[in-house]
Amino acid sequence: QQQVKQSPQSLIVQKGGISIINCAYENTAFDYFPWYQQFPGKGPALLIAIRPDVSEKKEGRFTISFNKSAKQFSLHIMDSQPGDSATYFCAASIRSRLTFGEGTQLTVNP
Amino acid sequence: GAVVSQHPSRVICKSGTSVKIECRSLDFQATTMFWYRQFPKQSLMLMATSNEGSKATYEQGVEKDKFLINHASLTLSTLTVTSAHPEDSSFYICSARDSSGGGYEQFFGPGTRLTVL
Repeated sequence: QQQVKQSPQSLIVQKGGISIINCAYENTAFDYFPWYQQFPGKGPALLIAIRPDVSEKKEGRFTISFNKSAKQFSLHIMDSQPGDSATYFCAASIRSRLTFGEGTQLTVNP
Repeated sequence: GAVVSQHPSRVICKSGTSVKIECRSLDFQATTMFWYRQFPKQSLMLMATSNEGSKATYEQGVEKDKFLINHASLTLSTLTVTSAHPEDSSFYICSARDSSGGGYEQFFGPGTRLTVL
């Protein structure tokens, strides 16, 4: 019940395209849903996060869509750039304890 | 912005030795810090929650006698891998919550690559 399932495992997008990564969870007690970007050999960095009382949040090229009834949330990266190539993790939190999804390896081709 | 540092960034040790990894919050106080382990091409797994001035809370399956955690101040938590073995080789990452903000965000360190020969 603590799992967060993430898809796809890998994603290839052309420069300027939209990257979409999806996550699903089971535990309705999760109260915070962040997305992280991780480059090889580095720690993860917070991209954007949402609380369950909000259905959408946008920051620059990054948008989270949240569907509470379906227990799903997704990350949209608009105008994807080669510099966005990294591994992306969704996560869900209960009392600050984060459970991470399996990760998505995003490659943006020039 | 909130910065978390880790030291060392890389460590190579012989099997059976102990290794200490430090996690520091540089510009904020953190009553709670977290330790994660990440194997190659895999996700981050929470190992333990470190609370300043009290015992750490370990996740199921994590040996508390093998992974010793000390959170002696509001800016420093240490993870000691005791009697390390090759299967302990991994990327260890800490994170910290800003005590003053009351928010949910965790700030992650750059990670420590442990290789046990």
